Amino acid sequence: DAKTTQPTSMDCAEGRAANLPCNHSTISGNEYVYWYRQIHSQGPQYIIHGLKNNETNEMASLIITEDRKSSTLILPHATLRDTAVYYCIVRSYNNNAGNMLTFGGGTRLMVKP
Amino acid sequence: KAGVTQTPRYLIKTRGQQVTLSCSPISGHRSVSWYQQTPGQGLQFLFEYFSETQRNKGNFPGRFSGRQFSNSRSEMNVSTLELGDSALYLCASSLRQSTDTQYFGPGTRLTVL
Repeated sequence: DAKTTQPTSMDCAEGRAANLPCNHSTISGNEYVYWYRQIHSQGPQYIIHGLKNNETNEMASLIITEDRKSSTLILPHATLRDTAVYYCIVRSYNNNAGNMLTFGGGTRLMVKP
Repeated sequence: KAGVTQTPRYLIKTRGQQVTLSCSPISGHRSVSWYQQTPGQGLQFLFEYFSETQRNKGNFPGRFSGRQFSNSRSEMNVSTLELGDSALYLCASSLRQSTDTQYFGPGTRLTVL
């Protein structure tokens, strides 16, 4: 799976949008971009994923650039409970690749009052 | 629908002992993956089971093993525990192998003394 690069940490004011960037410049055509978050000592929580089109669900929006080399996760109105480590993962849908997620260091998002 | 459950949630063992951790996937999910999370190494893939067969294995010693039952429940075993095995062990389930989103359980916190 392609390697991802994320900032180590970010701050966001409560009520404002949190924009978390991810670089995946070596992504290939059959690889999806997945986002998970992990609140301290809990299991990672699935947020959203996409291939090439922008995606939105009740938790967040995912914006993928046209060349697919980077993406941004947007939390539209961040709350204190959104404080967590956010992981961007690129994952192949090749059946031979197995069901393995490769986690990097993620971005530690701190939402401040 | 109930999420992934893991038991026990906390466990304390001493060096040289062995331990068995249990994971019940989301109802209908047939793929179960295990991950180890430590402060130093982050989240690392251990192995994946699908239809009672190990399909993929990470770079861990043979002391780490697992199995999956016909009802898709899975167990992982660590023999001859070492201090470095202290970690959060996470289980994730998905509908099928490879092509579906993984959902994580809360984890089992293992402390080796």
